[in-house]
Amino acid sequence: QVQLQESGPGLVKPSETLSLTCTVSGYSISSSFYWGWIRQPPGKGLEWIGTIYHSGSPYYNPSLMSRVTISIDTSQNQFSLRLTSVTAADTAVYYCARSGWDLVFDFWGQGALITVSS
Amino acid sequence: ENVLTQSPGTVSLSPGESATLSCRASQSVSSSYLAWYQQKPGQAPRLLIYGASSRATGTPDRFSGSGSGTDFTLTITRLEPEDFAVYYCQQYATSPYNFGLGTKLEIK
Repeated sequence: QVQLQESGPGLVKPSETLSLTCTVSGYSISSSFYWGWIRQPPGKGLEWIGTIYHSGSPYYNPSLMSRVTISIDTSQNQFSLRLTSVTAADTAVYYCARSGWDLVFDFWGQGALITVSS
Repeated sequence: ENVLTQSPGTVSLSPGESATLSCRASQSVSSSYLAWYQQKPGQAPRLLIYGASSRATGTPDRFSGSGSGTDFTLTITRLEPEDFAVYYCQQYATSPYNFGLGTKLEIK
């Protein structure tokens, strides 16, 4: 069974960089599938951030593209998210998830609450 | 951006009844690239339906999806207590692969 687990600091200061890692178990991310990040502000809906394939370039939500970097480390079976210049509006639960080429997310991590505050 | 509008925002029903949830897109969703997810409090979303009408592995057959173009529907028959949750639609035809704001299905 595929399992995903987000990890990272729960509190980030405004203007700093948010960094999260997703560790995948039960499946080798270098085999296939796409790996992505989705976030959900408290009490609000879901927002797709971006997705990466192990051998391809990542692609991002245009609204976040200037601040987002997603990378993959197949040796560690992990992929990561960096979001620069954060503000309070970036406070959210951040999920990592697996999808096919079609961006349908079939396995999700439990989510990590990231708060942006001084 | 293809904006997805879900209605109603909240629906109150009793176990055993049927629920009809709507997802309307501002532009046609090509190839019916629309999915439905269920989210319970404190949990990650769970994939229910993809391709507008195909049930994901483990989705009970009381859940069914339909529609094409700009209008899509998730129908849940014979509501069970565990079905009360928030439901999101997602289009994956064009970037950004966005979600609707959700419909909350609550117990009456």
